[in-house]
Amino acid sequence: DVKVTQSSRYLVKRTGEKVFLECVQDMDHENMFWYRQDPGLGLRLIYFSYDVKMKEKGDIPEGYSVSREKKERFSLILESASTNQTSMYLCASTGGGQVIREQYFGPGTRLTVT
Amino acid sequence: GDSVTQMEGPVTLSEEAFLTINCTYTATGYPSLFWYVQYPGEGLQLLLKATKADDKGSNKGFEATYRKETTSFHLEKGSVQVSDSAVYFCALRGYGGSQGNLIFGKGTKLSVKP
Repeated sequence: DVKVTQSSRYLVKRTGEKVFLECVQDMDHENMFWYRQDPGLGLRLIYFSYDVKMKEKGDIPEGYSVSREKKERFSLILESASTNQTSMYLCASTGGGQVIREQYFGPGTRLTVT
Repeated sequence: GDSVTQMEGPVTLSEEAFLTINCTYTATGYPSLFWYVQYPGEGLQLLLKATKADDKGSNKGFEATYRKETTSFHLEKGSVQVSDSAVYFCALRGYGGSQGNLIFGKGTKLSVKP
């Protein structure tokens, strides 16, 4: 059974804190993604990675950074959390190549910044 | 750039009613199209997909046909159940590229009443 896990389901942080969101997949997937989900806005891509140590900006990278030191793990970092980063964060992964493969999603982390 | 537009929600139906959720897209080339579903408190999971014109994706009683002439991929189900209550996302993957990037619509929340 394929699995994408995220380190926390719920997280509360204070403004200015450094926040780490961790994502691990057990499918040996090349590609990993971080989205944020907000009501009325759907899913927006923050960053993605197509290989270890490789990263690409998505549509809304400002205020975020990522790290991929191992193939199975993709971390999202909020260097200095702000209240407008309160959101649901979803991690996903998919295999590489030209074959059309689905993205597998984790359960999400609901982050509240106070 | 590529985009997906789906009908605004929420949609409220009685059990056994017919469901249609409209989805249209703008893309260059020949995108692949997907419907994802998010049940309460969970991440997204693939519901169905279609990779070329006139393909019909189907799963769990849901169907969607890839209509290139109308750039549409409407989701339908003949008889909804309470357990179908969820948020539904239409998505596309552009032609070419191997990173598996998806572009999502904003989501349509479906509530089915007994």
